[in-house]
Amino acid sequence: GQNIDQPTEMTATEGAIVQINCTYQTSGFNGLFWYQQHAGEAPTFLSYNVLDGLEEKGRFSSFLSRSKGYSYLLLKELQMKDSASYLCAVRDTGKSNYQLIWGAGTKLIIKP
Amino acid sequence: KAGVTQTPRYLIKTRGQQVTLSCSPISGHRSVSWYQQTPGQGLQFLFEYFSETQRNKGNFPGRFSGRQFSNSRSEMNVSTLELGDSALYLCASSLLSRTGGTYEQYFGPGTRLTVT
Repeated sequence: GQNIDQPTEMTATEGAIVQINCTYQTSGFNGLFWYQQHAGEAPTFLSYNVLDGLEEKGRFSSFLSRSKGYSYLLLKELQMKDSASYLCAVRDTGKSNYQLIWGAGTKLIIKP
Repeated sequence: KAGVTQTPRYLIKTRGQQVTLSCSPISGHRSVSWYQQTPGQGLQFLFEYFSETQRNKGNFPGRFSGRQFSNSRSEMNVSTLELGDSALYLCASSLLSRTGGTYEQYFGPGTRLTVT
């Protein structure tokens, strides 16, 4: 079946670097998305990977290895406002119409 | 460009009642997806509509239904409400790629439904 795994919760210090992992087992693959969701708010799009490698976007980077079914989101120079949940989603070509499969999210807590 | 809008933002209903939630996508977006999110849970996919047709459906009972209008606006309906239906209901719109998958989704603020 389809499965996406992320750590439930992580804690990091302001100014540091944190890596949030996402592993997936899906019937097929056509892209992986990362979203950020602050408490009580809607998710917002962060990044998209469809080819292997690193995509950098300011303080945030996302990496993908399709052969390993693995991605990570790297957050640098952490700020208090980065405290949020981070959701990983995979576009599964094995599902009708390439349905998105979502992970349960990783709650990131930033401490001063 | 206006974002995704959802109405109402908050709703309190009694068990057994029915409810209809509305979503207006970003102009030009024809794919609309609905999700249920309960505290501490990830996004549970309800269904996706494109050009007034349901493209995908999640594993929810038949009490949950939806539709999409010709202007891409979408509604979802929950009949015979249960206490467990209390949740944040999120709508997301996106463009569709040539391969059939959606591009990144843009979410509305959600409707917080409380069933008492």
